Amino acid sequence: KQEVTQIPAALSVPEGENLVLNCSFTDSAIYNLQWFRQDPGKGLTSLLLIQSSQREQTSGRLNASLDKSSGRSTLYIAASQPGDSATYLCAGPKFSSGSARQLTFGSGTQLTVLP
Amino acid sequence: GAGVSQSPSNKVTEKGKDVELRCDPISGHTALYWYRQSLGQGLEFLIYFQGNSAPDKSGLPSDRFSAERTGGSVSTLTIQRTQQEDSAVYLCASSLGGATDQYFGAGTRLSVL
Repeated sequence: KQEVTQIPAALSVPEGENLVLNCSFTDSAIYNLQWFRQDPGKGLTSLLLIQSSQREQTSGRLNASLDKSSGRSTLYIAASQPGDSATYLCAGPKFSSGSARQLTFGSGTQLTVLP
Repeated sequence: GAGVSQSPSNKVTEKGKDVELRCDPISGHTALYWYRQSLGQGLEFLIYFQGNSAPDKSGLPSDRFSAERTGGSVSTLTIQRTQQEDSAVYLCASSLGGATDQYFGAGTRLSVL
């Protein structure tokens, strides 16, 4: 059974800085790993999905990496902007085998980008 | 539809009442998931539907919780005899299949007084 951890719980950076959010998981046979963004009072927006056969995915200023052997994923945000302020969640399938893909979420990192 | 739609967006109810929460998944998505986000508990899985297979109910916290999915599309999550600890945001997600991106609705915020 997968367990997902995110550190730090909160992060505050000045605008323009590059930053890294960390996610660790316990089952190295993870099927895929997904990064989400959640704005206050809103649902989740999928940012990037990395399949187990991939090492990284990029979308605009975002780059997510996956290292199954170490049980870690990182989300890199380049040239941060105040609009990036949100809670970032990583999630992996609860089980590494079988057809069920319900997600286990980390507790999230609340990011604040100061103008 | 353009995205996953949930209704109502907010629900306030009295302890002991039953509530129904609705989810309209993205058209064509065969998988549908319900999650709960509680203050201090994070996001937790409740139930999963995949096509015509029997749902995976392993995340439901008690027998007061049930869900159904009619015609492989719309789903309803029912909470009977609500308790204060049921207060949370209930999120629905859908995907083309179990292995692909999950797309989330905006959630229903349930407050049990």
